[in-house]
Amino acid sequence: SYVLTQPPSVSVAPGQTARITCGGNNIGGKSVHWYQQKPGQAPVLVVYGDSDRPSGIPERFSGSNSGNTATLTISRVEAGDEADYYCQLWDSNGGVFGGGTKLTVL
Amino acid sequence: EVQLVESGGGLVQPGGSLRLSCEASGSTVSFYSINWVRQAPGKGLEWVSSIGTDTRYIYYADSVKGRFTISRDDAKNVLYLQMSSLRVEDTAVYYCVRLAGAAGNYYFSSWGQGTLVTVSS
Repeated sequence: SYVLTQPPSVSVAPGQTARITCGGNNIGGKSVHWYQQKPGQAPVLVVYGDSDRPSGIPERFSGSNSGNTATLTISRVEAGDEADYYCQLWDSNGGVFGGGTKLTVL
Repeated sequence: EVQLVESGGGLVQPGGSLRLSCEASGSTVSFYSINWVRQAPGKGLEWVSSIGTDTRYIYYADSVKGRFTISRDDAKNVLYLQMSSLRVEDTAVYYCVRLAGAAGNYYFSSWGQGTLVTVSS
């Protein structure tokens, strides 16, 4: 089945921009979604359809997808953005998740 | 957005069975395609199973196929995940999740709080 590859960790200073990648074979031809999960909590959808934001998600969260890489970009990072982030898509076998990236705010 | 509430988790021995339930608070569960997603302790997310608004459309991950059964009781407004032949590696928090979007663009729009299943002797 389809494999999504994420870096295990990304670190960024407050106020800077964090970019979390999600790699997959020709992923640019698919629709990618992103979730934020804080410790002890259920995941929350932050980007869907590559670049759309659900209501209530700050504009600081944005997404892009091209070629073999989808990217979640978090601008003006805040301490509260520290969390695990997962990319996801749907293929013929069902839901597929990346392994997750832990975002650390320095 | 629909609020989903899971129940039924607990401790079970390897080879045993357990049934999880998912209710849609203030709404009708049959209006949505509902999925189960699990997360082993300290690990990532894993999709488990899906049932469509039309219950002819049911899918399973290879890791649970033949052991887990997803179903829905419209009269009781409850969705179930019947888990049999449980293994230690099935230990996880199980989330009931609403599937949204269209063909080729499905995503998980609303998550329950999760229920913990522990398989151990």
